[in-house]
Amino acid sequence: EAGVAQSPRYKIIEKRQSVAFWCNPISGHATLYWYQQILGQGPKLLIQFQNNGVVDDSQLPKDRFSAERLKGVDSTLKIQPAKLEDSAVYLCASSPGGINIQYFGAGTRLSVL
Amino acid sequence: AQKITQTQPGMFVQEKEAVTLDCTYDTSDPSYGLFWYKQPSSGEMIFLIYQGSYDQQNATEGRYSLNFQKARKSANLVISASQLGDSAMYFCAMREGYDYKLSFGAGTTVTARA
Repeated sequence: EAGVAQSPRYKIIEKRQSVAFWCNPISGHATLYWYQQILGQGPKLLIQFQNNGVVDDSQLPKDRFSAERLKGVDSTLKIQPAKLEDSAVYLCASSPGGINIQYFGAGTRLSVL
Repeated sequence: AQKITQTQPGMFVQEKEAVTLDCTYDTSDPSYGLFWYKQPSSGEMIFLIYQGSYDQQNATEGRYSLNFQKARKSANLVISASQLGDSAMYFCAMREGYDYKLSFGAGTTVTARA
């Protein structure tokens, strides 16, 4: 069974530029999560989707971050414009639904210069 | 308030020995779940073990076991017979009630030595 796929693995941009990350969850998983992990810290949830609907985006900085999950499968997370403090690893996770285990992708490491 | 506290920023362990990673949690919800994840330098978070608040037995998965002490609100991870490949960051996480999101601790770095 294929795991959670994320791309790109690495991205370097300058502040005020825009960037997008892509996630393909495990087949059949209804729930998808985006986490931000700043160096030296644990991941922090940004947004949670159930199928293609948003369940929780209370921690998403909506003035610059946006996310969508089209057709309840793939998801993209966008930052526009990026700030220096957005430098982090962005992790995507999926679960079958309910209170099941979340399975993570390898993440996208973003550096904002 | 911190929901998950991991007080050990870094630990060394000798190959073939056991190591215990501490995790304390804070919740008022009687229904919760505790997870441990491993994050090697490659970045992927790998699920290790899960303990539900109503589970009577401590969870075990191969070389991993969870020492669950509900009254003390602790959920320590024990790795037995350590291997060099165990070198990684380890995170404790919790979900509360029927809220699916996980709250993570700051992590503990484990370095295994031959």
